[in-house]
Amino acid sequence: QVQLVQSGAEVKKPGASLKVSCKASGYTFTTYGINWVRQAPGQGLEWMGWISAYNGNINFAQKLQGRVTLTTDTSTSTAYMELRNVTSDDTAVYYCARGYKKYYHMDVWGKGTTVTVSS
Amino acid sequence: QSILTQPPSVSGAPGQRVTISCTGSSSNIGASYDVHWYQQLPGTAPKLLIFGYNYRPSGVPDRFSGSKSGTSASLAISGLQAEDEADYYCQSYDSSLSGSVFGGGTKLTVL
Repeated sequence: QVQLVQSGAEVKKPGASLKVSCKASGYTFTTYGINWVRQAPGQGLEWMGWISAYNGNINFAQKLQGRVTLTTDTSTSTAYMELRNVTSDDTAVYYCARGYKKYYHMDVWGKGTTVTVSS
Repeated sequence: QSILTQPPSVSGAPGQRVTISCTGSSSNIGASYDVHWYQQLPGTAPKLLIFGYNYRPSGVPDRFSGSKSGTSASLAISGLQAEDEADYYCQSYDSSLSGSVFGGGTKLTVL
């Protein structure tokens, strides 16, 4: 079945970088894109960005531009999200979610990766 | 402050019908971008509930329906059940931001 499997929970110190992976299976990886969405404790969903697994086209949320890098590895059907210079405001559950195009719905979600930023 | 505005909470008794609104602007819903709805049960990842005009993924009961008019959209849930108690989010695309946007979320309580 179609699924996205994310990497495990991480604890980071302020100023560090974090990298979350999202391995896709059950479909042709390059046919779709991958969205990254995060949810701070007790808060709503925040869209971070979208990357096309077909051609690498990327859209970022403006507030994160300059700190976030999205990549894909088509040989392993894996998407990556790297966030630099993290602060306590980046403490959240990070989700990857499949999206055909940047303005499409997100039809398959990973289970989430919990990231805690603490000194 | 979310770009798409949802009521923080709604409630209803079992069997009743409730609606959740999602108000946007001329750069997102009003620009004819589709509105999608997600259900998030406590401690779990969001799940796609409604996409496009009013399409349901396989497995989503027809008690859930979506509509759109102007710069707003709505999710309706009829025949409310205890298992519907969850957070609900709308999502669309915003041309000014060149990215997807979510509503702030609505907590549905089944009385």
